[in-house]
Amino acid sequence: NAGVMQNPRHLVRRRGQEARLRCSPMKGHSHVYWYRQLPEEGLKFMVYLQKENIIDESGMPKERFSAEFPKEGPSILRIQQVVRGDSAAYFCASSPGLAGDTLRRNEQFFGPGTRLTVL
Amino acid sequence: RKEVEQDPGPFNVPEGATVAFNCTYSNSASQSFFWYRQDCRKEPKLLMSVYSSGNEDGRFTAQLNRASQYISLLIRDSKLSDSATYLCVVNRGSTLGRLYFGRGTQLTVWP
Repeated sequence: NAGVMQNPRHLVRRRGQEARLRCSPMKGHSHVYWYRQLPEEGLKFMVYLQKENIIDESGMPKERFSAEFPKEGPSILRIQQVVRGDSAAYFCASSPGLAGDTLRRNEQFFGPGTRLTVL
Repeated sequence: RKEVEQDPGPFNVPEGATVAFNCTYSNSASQSFFWYRQDCRKEPKLLMSVYSSGNEDGRFTAQLNRASQYISLLIRDSKLSDSATYLCVVNRGSTLGRLYFGRGTQLTVWP
């Protein structure tokens, strides 16, 4: 059973460019979460999605950031007009959601992350 | 006040030692509790969920004290491979949704 897949693993962008990060959840998982980890800091929640729905985007910056999880294909985190402060590791996680048993349905499994560097 | 607070360490222990990590959480409505480990420049990996009655998985034992809003992780017979950062993680309220991560406690096990 393949784990959570993320690509690219490393992404370099110049200031002002766009960054697109992709995440495919584990097989059988319908819930996707994006987290950001700045250097020497803890993980911070950004957004929680199910297929075609944004459930909680309270951790997303109001501007330049957007996320989607279409009916077909991976979840995408999009950062427009990147700035140096966007340099971080972006992790995607998935969970079985309601399909899992009561105690384990909120266990989240993480992908290897995308390390974004903005020059 | 932060959602989750942990002693950042570092903890430096010899192989075979027993080491304990503690964590407190601020929201009494939290429902799910976890310990993750994160190796340098890698993704967090779920170590164990923490159940109300406490639970054990091999050399690892987790305890939850809801009254004190306190979670612990005990590692017995430490191995070199246990060297990592241990993250205390909680959710808030509903059984699904965002997780709140502590900053992590760094452990180094030396030979």
